[in-house]
Amino acid sequence: EAQVTQNPRYLITVTGKKLTVTCSQNMNHEYMSWYRQDPGLGLRQIYYSMNVEVTDKGDVPEGYKVSRKEKRNFPLILESPSPNQTSLYFCASSLKRGGLTTDTQYFGPGTRLTVL
Amino acid sequence: QKEVEQNSGPLSVPEGAIASLNCTYSDRGSQSFFWYRQYSGKSPELIMSIYSNGDKEDGRFTAQLNKASQYVSLLIRDSQPSDSATYLCAVNGWSGGSNYKLTFGKGTLLTVNP
Repeated sequence: EAQVTQNPRYLITVTGKKLTVTCSQNMNHEYMSWYRQDPGLGLRQIYYSMNVEVTDKGDVPEGYKVSRKEKRNFPLILESPSPNQTSLYFCASSLKRGGLTTDTQYFGPGTRLTVL
Repeated sequence: QKEVEQNSGPLSVPEGAIASLNCTYSDRGSQSFFWYRQYSGKSPELIMSIYSNGDKEDGRFTAQLNKASQYVSLLIRDSQPSDSATYLCAVNGWSGGSNYKLTFGKGTLLTVNP
């Protein structure tokens, strides 16, 4: 089954304790992206990756890191989480990005993060 | 800053009625337009995409695009309680180099009353 998976689905942690949220897709997609969703603010892009070893900042990259060492995986790293990073996080992937059209973005199930 | 604006709602319609969701965007160079549905606590799922001016129909859903007015809408005919969700408008536009960026509106909450 074609899908984007994220782990963990729920996480409660404390300020300053490094954490990683994993994202994996089995569709051989080139493009992957991380979003956070907050009430009243909608979906905001954190980082994206056009392909292996190619990553770039989205709209709200502060406090986050990413890496893309393999095509299927795109982990999101919070080196020193703070309470303002409490949010619902989504990973998404699409076949290819660019040109006159864009491919459908497929979303993972989400990770609800609480930072105390 | 490229913007995508939607009425936040909530929009409430009776079962069987037509629900009309609207979206405007600021980037005149935008190429592709999408409607996603998101149930509470779940991930967004694509329900319609449209790339050229006019109407595109898929079952009970019709997307309408007017690039001159920078306006895209979604009509849901014969609304069902299961259509109750937040509907996200997403617009793809050039963000520099060979990069394109998908920008989401904040969503419109639709409630269909039995």
